[in-house]
Amino acid sequence: QKEVEQDPGPLSVPEGAIVSLNCTYSNSAFQYFMWYRQYSRKGPELLMYTYSSGNKEDGRFTAQVDKSSKYISLFIRDSQPSDSATYLCATANTGNQFYFGTGTSLTVIP
Amino acid sequence: EAGVAQSPRYKIIEKRQSVAFWCNPISGHATLYWYQQILGQGPKLLIQFQNNGVVDDSQLPKDRFSAERLKGVDSTLKIQPAKLEDSAVYLCASSPGLPLGYTFGSGTRLTVV
Repeated sequence: QKEVEQDPGPLSVPEGAIVSLNCTYSNSAFQYFMWYRQYSRKGPELLMYTYSSGNKEDGRFTAQVDKSSKYISLFIRDSQPSDSATYLCATANTGNQFYFGTGTSLTVIP
Repeated sequence: EAGVAQSPRYKIIEKRQSVAFWCNPISGHATLYWYQQILGQGPKLLIQFQNNGVVDDSQLPKDRFSAERLKGVDSTLKIQPAKLEDSAVYLCASSPGLPLGYTFGSGTRLTVV
């Protein structure tokens, strides 16, 4: 079993739609949960960061972590064409070892 | 703050040739990572350094890949000899010790023909 499993997509939505991206993880010891956005031919950049459980909101983006079900979600409200990218979920332990999902490619159609 | 610098940006080589990639992490970041990202997949850790010591190289194909981080700053990743399946983007990342400061470089896109 992989440490992190991510819905593969690809996902195509109209502009303004609400987008839901999801991952599951296997190790209950993970404490750090991240979402990275990766544009074509660029390295991943940190989008959202959560420590332990709960929700975190930043503008149009909301990250949720449910440790009881080992489920990670990213919601994008009022999606824009500029949100078109690949989204990677990641978890990390206290030893600074990261585990990435395979990424979900998102296209927002104007 | 300057980001993680990588060079070259692109490289095309023939199979069985050798290639080297270079990474300059963010100043002060003790931890440095090399990842391999094959098209359509997430990054796969190759090696993790803490200062100039190796923390994890369990997924590094040691028969052909090698990496070093001299003086705990810059790092190089070498492939010798390259195979067709090594075609991927090689990403370098660095961290000050907390996941929040973890930063990727733009990567080196390697094509082996």
